[in-house]
Amino acid sequence: DIQMTQSPSSLSASVGDRVTITCRASQNISSYLNWYQQKPGKAPKLLIYAASSLRSGVPSRFSGSGSGTDFTLTISSLQPEDFATYYCQQSYSTRRTFGQGTKLEIK
Amino acid sequence: EVQLVESGGGLVQPGGSLRLSCAASGFTFSSYSMNWVRQAPGKGLEWVSYISSSSSTIYYADSVKGRFTISRDNAKNSLYLQMNSLRDEDTAVYYCASGSYYWFDPWGQGTLVIVSS
Repeated sequence: DIQMTQSPSSLSASVGDRVTITCRASQNISSYLNWYQQKPGKAPKLLIYAASSLRSGVPSRFSGSGSGTDFTLTISSLQPEDFATYYCQQSYSTRRTFGQGTKLEIK
Repeated sequence: EVQLVESGGGLVQPGGSLRLSCAASGFTFSSYSMNWVRQAPGKGLEWVSYISSSSSTIYYADSVKGRFTISRDNAKNSLYLQMNSLRDEDTAVYYCASGSYYWFDPWGQGTLVIVSS
């Protein structure tokens, strides 16, 4: 299976900060990379699909980039509602895999 | 409004069986592929299974292959997951998720399965 590794595993930041989360695939996955946000006790929500396409309704402060093996999720100016756990997920292989998650906490 | 509602979770003994259901509404269910994704308590997300809109293509994670069976009934707008030979490590919240072939969107609220003696 394709392994997805996120860094960091946790991150403390303040409202207004610019934050970047990295996701690395164990092999080339082209742009078959999606990002999700999950808040405690809730289901995940899709933020970014195909590495850089913003899902309708998601604030434009979220952006994604990358291709091949290295990808990033950037939040340009953190808002209070953005503190959550973020997951990347590859869809290159029929056996979908997720990163281990990055927990974004308030500093 | 698109809605996915899972049911069927509960407490089951190791080696037992359980059938999860996911009721879909607010979209043309028969046109979309569906997935099951699970999350063990305090852990990350794990994709479990995929079924195409016509049921012609099905995939499973290695961890459940041979024990779980995904199916759907387009006439009833419903997705199912038959889980047999359950193990302690199958304890998790199980989510159904729709979307494209490549991503999961939206997700249901999840149903908790606890495998314990």
